[in-house]
Amino acid sequence: AQSVSQHNHHVILSEAASLELGCNYSYGGTVNLFWYVQYPGQHLQLLLKYFSGDPLVKGIKGFEAEFIKSKFSFNLRKPSVQWSDTAEYFCAVNAGGYNKLIFGAGTRLAVHP
Amino acid sequence: GAVVSQHPSRVICKSGTSVKIECRSLDFQATTMFWYRQFPKKSLMLMATSNEGSKATYEQGVEKDKFLINHASLTLSTLTVTSAHPEDSSFYICSARDPLSGSWDNEQFFGPGTRLTVL
Repeated sequence: AQSVSQHNHHVILSEAASLELGCNYSYGGTVNLFWYVQYPGQHLQLLLKYFSGDPLVKGIKGFEAEFIKSKFSFNLRKPSVQWSDTAEYFCAVNAGGYNKLIFGAGTRLAVHP
Repeated sequence: GAVVSQHPSRVICKSGTSVKIECRSLDFQATTMFWYRQFPKKSLMLMATSNEGSKATYEQGVEKDKFLINHASLTLSTLTVTSAHPEDSSFYICSARDPLSGSWDNEQFFGPGTRLTVL
């Protein structure tokens, strides 16, 4: 069965620090990969997605993620976080041509001014 | 991007009653909608896939008689929690795919969620 694991449940950073959130998935075939963000009191929004092509994907708000097939990973990065990045971040996988998304447990990021 | 709404945003009900939650795609037609449940401090768990004009597909462990899904039109799917109990209290989120966003694009657009509290 497909699964997604996010290594960090809580991350606390100061503004301007660099961010990397880990995401690993289990599925041997073709995958589509996503990072979603949920700001406090708001609904899930898509940060970025990978379907094919360049494994380094750039998303909104300065986020990027790199797909490393050999490691089954899709880590999210941002070189310099802001207080407004405080949110919960979810990695998700859509595999095997099916519609459904499998989500990781989420990482709660708190950025202190 | 495409907009998905949910109604109500919050509902409190007594144990044993049924509650209906609506999910609407506001500016696109969605042949497929999804219902998720989010437990406190946990991720979204897919409950079922709702297909317009046909029966929903439920995930393993989800009681289809407990969580009734109806997708009667291309812009509306409803989730009815029947004979609700306190353990059904949760945050229910729907999402919808926009088929015109690209046949290879599986992006889902999420609603704001409905918080159900069963007393």
